[in-house]
Amino acid sequence: KQEVTQIPAALSVPEGENLVLNCSFTDSAIYNLQWFRQDPGKGLTSLLLIQSSQREQTSGRLNASLDKSSGRSTLYIAASQPGDSATYLCAAISSGSARQLTFGSGTQLTVLP
Amino acid sequence: EAQVTQNPRYLITVTGKKLTVTCSQNMNHEYMSWYRQDPGLGLRQIYYSMNVEVTDKGDVPEGYKVSRKEKRNFPLILESPSPNQTSLYFCASRAQGNLYEQYFGPGTRLTVT
Repeated sequence: KQEVTQIPAALSVPEGENLVLNCSFTDSAIYNLQWFRQDPGKGLTSLLLIQSSQREQTSGRLNASLDKSSGRSTLYIAASQPGDSATYLCAAISSGSARQLTFGSGTQLTVLP
Repeated sequence: EAQVTQNPRYLITVTGKKLTVTCSQNMNHEYMSWYRQDPGLGLRQIYYSMNVEVTDKGDVPEGYKVSRKEKRNFPLILESPSPNQTSLYFCASRAQGNLYEQYFGPGTRLTVT
């Protein structure tokens, strides 16, 4: 059974810093890896999806990498801003027909002005 | 506006009193699912549906029922709620085969006393 772990559980940084969030998964036979953002009182917003054949994806100040062989993914946020404060979740997507998502417990990020 | 709606957003109930949380999407998506989110455990899938009249168990289906009589609706039913079902519940939908454009509802916070 797939297990996804995110470290650290919480992170506080001053505005402008570059930071890395970590995600690890136990079963490397994934279809895709996806990063989400969750804001209090709101649902999840998809940030980046990395297909199993890719090594990274970029969107603006966000860059996500995937190393299937080691069971790891990282989300890099450049020049952090207070508006980046949220909980970031990664999800491993199974290769089965239902493409089920297994989520990590998230990293709660606070960017201080 | 493309969206997933859930009702109610907040619910406090007592043990054993049947309840239904509704979920509706306006995007004609085939795939819908329910998750629960608990501190330190991330989101765990309860049930999913790949189309009308097609439902299947996720990772934590015990104590829950679902139905998919119409494409747009996917209600979650707790026939005899217990305190361990106190949680934050999310409904999600996506087009079959389109993993990136997943839409999550705003969440339903359920407390069972």
